[in-house]
Amino acid sequence: IVLTQSPGTLSLSPGERATLSCRASQSLSNDYLAWYQQKPGQAPRLLIYGSSSRATGIPDRFSGSESGTDFTLTISRLEPEDFAVYYCQQYGSSPQVTFGQGTRLDIK
Amino acid sequence: QVHLEESGGDLVKPGGSLRLSCAASGFTFSDYYMSWIRQAPGKGLQWISYISSSSSTIYYADSVKGRFTISRDNAKNSLYLHMNSLRAEDTAVYYCAKFFGYALGSWGQGTLVTVSS
Repeated sequence: IVLTQSPGTLSLSPGERATLSCRASQSLSNDYLAWYQQKPGQAPRLLIYGSSSRATGIPDRFSGSESGTDFTLTISRLEPEDFAVYYCQQYGSSPQVTFGQGTRLDIK
Repeated sequence: QVHLEESGGDLVKPGGSLRLSCAASGFTFSDYYMSWIRQAPGKGLQWISYISSSSSTIYYADSVKGRFTISRDNAKNSLYLHMNSLRAEDTAVYYCAKFFGYALGSWGQGTLVTVSS
């Protein structure tokens, strides 16, 4: 399965709503899709698992949803610390684990 | 609290070998699948391999199959990645990660492998 994220870069201001997309090349179980946040010089951090469940400690401004092969990460009101790179990831179909190419969320 | 610490990254010549280690603490290591992921400089994340809790199931990405070997020692709470026939394109930060269901719930800070003559 290939995961295609869009847009490549998203420029928004604090307080705005961010919508990040991840499209799978074939059908994918909701259980097998996760989202990560990565800041410069840091390891990725799990945000969302099972398409829509927030990981421990993740603020409720982060939410995930799915519609068929399209998965969405929404950040309802951007905080300064949310500007980072976001990756989606799938499990289970050969190759066993794949990541999308990432969406960079920049401050406008 | 889950803690993962990678070590073993180094500068190595093309064709050389290296073994990475990941020391785990703060959870029952033997209960969890573990994985290696890498990130080339300025690039995205690339999954490398994962291993089941008992080592009975192992998968590799095509790009490393036949050259890299994942293993674990549950008695030592450690995960390993043996890398042979290293190429310039293997240059990356290598992360170990613990599975949380089907996601990668905890990550180490990474260790840098540089392949260059």
